[in-house]
Amino acid sequence: GAGVSQSPSNKVTEKGKDVELRCDPISGHTALYWYRQSLGQGLEFLIYFQGNSAPDKSGLPSDRFSAERTGGSVSTLTIQRTQQEDSAVYLCASSLSLGGTEAFFGQGTRLTVV
Amino acid sequence: AQSVAQPEDQVNVAEGNPLTVKCTYSVSGNPYLFWYVQYPNRGLQFLLKYITGDNLVKGSYGFEAEFNKSQTSFHLKKPSALVSDSALYFCAVRDDGSGGYQKVTFGTGTKLQVIP
Repeated sequence: GAGVSQSPSNKVTEKGKDVELRCDPISGHTALYWYRQSLGQGLEFLIYFQGNSAPDKSGLPSDRFSAERTGGSVSTLTIQRTQQEDSAVYLCASSLSLGGTEAFFGQGTRLTVV
Repeated sequence: AQSVAQPEDQVNVAEGNPLTVKCTYSVSGNPYLFWYVQYPNRGLQFLLKYITGDNLVKGSYGFEAEFNKSQTSFHLKKPSALVSDSALYFCAVRDDGSGGYQKVTFGTGTKLQVIP
C-alpha cells in the first residue's frame, strides 16, 4: 500500500480481555516498530522487527504484551488480560531499513479499556 | 542516556506571524534530530531531519529548523503561520551510533495553535 495501515482505528474492550492490533507496513520496508502514545506523553518504544531477525522486545512493559511479524510484512501486537492503564494510542511505523533515518507512521489504534 | 525536551506544552501564534517551537536535546555522541507533526486522529508525519551538514534544515510545508550545537537546540520555525499548521509537534533525537528508530527518543510534544 501507499502508507502504513493499522487496524482497527478504534478498539474498546473490557478489562481482562485480550486484544490484537494489526499493522501493515509499507511494501519493501524491512524495519517495523510499535510505539505507545499516552495522553500528554511522548512516544514510548515497545518493540521492533528487522527483516526475519528475532525482534527486540526490550520496550515491552509487561509479559502481557507480545508481537509477531509474519513473512517479514504484517505485524500484530497482542495485549493479554488488558488493564485500564493499557488505554492509549498504539502506533506502528516502518522504515526502509534498520538504519533508515526516516520512519513512516500509521494512523494508530486508539485502545480504550473499560 | 539521551533525552529531548520540549519546554512548551502549547504555543499560540496569530496567522501570518512567524512561529517557533522549541526543542533541546542531550546525547552522548553526535545527534540525529527529527521533527514530526501529528494532526488529530492521524499518525506522525515526518517534517525534517538533521544528520550532518548545514545547520539550517528545510523540510515539508515550509518548515525549517536550525541545529545549534553549543545550545544543544533544534528549534522548529516557519516564517508565516497558517491555520492549517495547528497540530501536535514532536521533536526526536538519537545518537549517531548504530540502530534505528528503536534508539530514537521522542519529546512529549508541543501543541501549536494558529489563531485566525
